[in-house]
Amino acid sequence: DGGITQSPKYLFRKEGQNVTLSCEQNLNHDAMYWYRQDPGQGLRLIYYSQIVNDFQKGDIAEGYSVSREKKESFPLTVTSAQKNPTAFYLCASRDPDARAKAYEQYFGPGTRLTVT
Amino acid sequence: AQTVTQSQPEMSVQEAETVTLSCTYDTSENNYYLFWYKQPPSRQMILVIRQEAYKQQNATENRFSVNFQKAAKSFSLKISDSQLGDTAMYFCAFVVYTGNQFYFGTGTSLTVIP
Repeated sequence: DGGITQSPKYLFRKEGQNVTLSCEQNLNHDAMYWYRQDPGQGLRLIYYSQIVNDFQKGDIAEGYSVSREKKESFPLTVTSAQKNPTAFYLCASRDPDARAKAYEQYFGPGTRLTVT
Repeated sequence: AQTVTQSQPEMSVQEAETVTLSCTYDTSENNYYLFWYKQPPSRQMILVIRQEAYKQQNATENRFSVNFQKAAKSFSLKISDSQLGDTAMYFCAFVVYTGNQFYFGTGTSLTVIP
């Protein structure tokens, strides 16, 4: 079955440590996204990538970094510069081809990151 | 600027009744897609329904339907015959036809009461 995987589901880190969240998709989608979700704030875009080796900052990119070396993978690193990293992180992908039957984003199950 | 507003942070409905969730958006573009996503307690985001802005006919998916008013930039979701499994956070979103960035509202938490 095609889909998006994020691992692990729960992640705990000490303050000052960098941590990398995994996102893998086998939907053959070109575009991938990272969102942060906090209570009452909906989904806020951190980074997105339209194609391999290319990515753009979203609304809240400070303290985060990404890479896109393979079409299937879009890992997110939460650096020690991120002042409030504890949150729920969602990865998504999309086929941006206008000829595609559907235009929506497909989401992974998310990773809950807790930094203490 | 592209924005999405969901003015109802929380709503409740009796099982088997009908409920409508509101969404307004702002964009200067003419061609875009609109979506409602559901996020149950598992936190998995699930697409409920989609609407293409160039289509005048309102989209329907079983018990879910939308009221799309393009001039008013309004995109409400109606859930008929509400079921306990409909209890979730609901997010309204849109993407411009030629764009890649999605814009989400802050969500409406819906509780279906048995």
